[in-house]
Amino acid sequence: GAGVSQSPSNKVTEKGKDVELRCDPISGHTALYWYRQRLGQGLEFLIYFQGNSAPDKSGLPSDRFSAERTGESVSTLTIQRTQQEDSAVYLCASSLSGGGTEAFFGQGTRLTVV
Amino acid sequence: GENVEQHPSTLSVQEGDSAVIKCTYSDSASNYFPWYKQELGKGPQLIIDIRSNVGEKKDQRIAVTLNKTAKHFSLHITETQPEDSAVYFCAARGDTGRRALTFGSGTRLQVQP
Repeated sequence: GAGVSQSPSNKVTEKGKDVELRCDPISGHTALYWYRQRLGQGLEFLIYFQGNSAPDKSGLPSDRFSAERTGESVSTLTIQRTQQEDSAVYLCASSLSGGGTEAFFGQGTRLTVV
Repeated sequence: GENVEQHPSTLSVQEGDSAVIKCTYSDSASNYFPWYKQELGKGPQLIIDIRSNVGEKKDQRIAVTLNKTAKHFSLHITETQPEDSAVYFCAARGDTGRRALTFGSGTRLQVQP
């Protein structure tokens, strides 16, 4: 596609349920990032994938959060046993490579845990 | 790891005036410094970036300056227009360690017509 695509755009879930968020990066982009943005706040790093290297998971806030990426394609971010504090916009970005190349962001998934 | 601080958190200017947003970073190995604009309900969009081998870059009404010695960089918007109203984020990234972008906390810019 022309840009980074995220789905769903909005998700409302009950506390305790699991959710899966999807990111389709720009074709050919080897680097993929997930960020969390709470209302009115900045972007909080979650996880970074670069090609076939081991992902940088240092930003995941707890073991309820995990992410996968197969090769240089789609990535899914899974949040298990959701809590109200997980409510936020989850943003995905991709870039041609890591380092000094432009990162393109998707529109985000707005997650609301009730 | 990298820490990026951004200020001010809010900035209100009159249309036609200039706006300046400043950021500092902690990791001297960082070498890529982008600025993003985020409009309500949208993902951040790159507006300008600078690499560590230059001190200034300009694109029409937008310019970015970088002082590597002091580890700070700034965004300058001249002749502001109401459509410049948005949240602006600075970021930094290096080639070693965490290679994901580390973002500042954002500046909400309001341009009054």
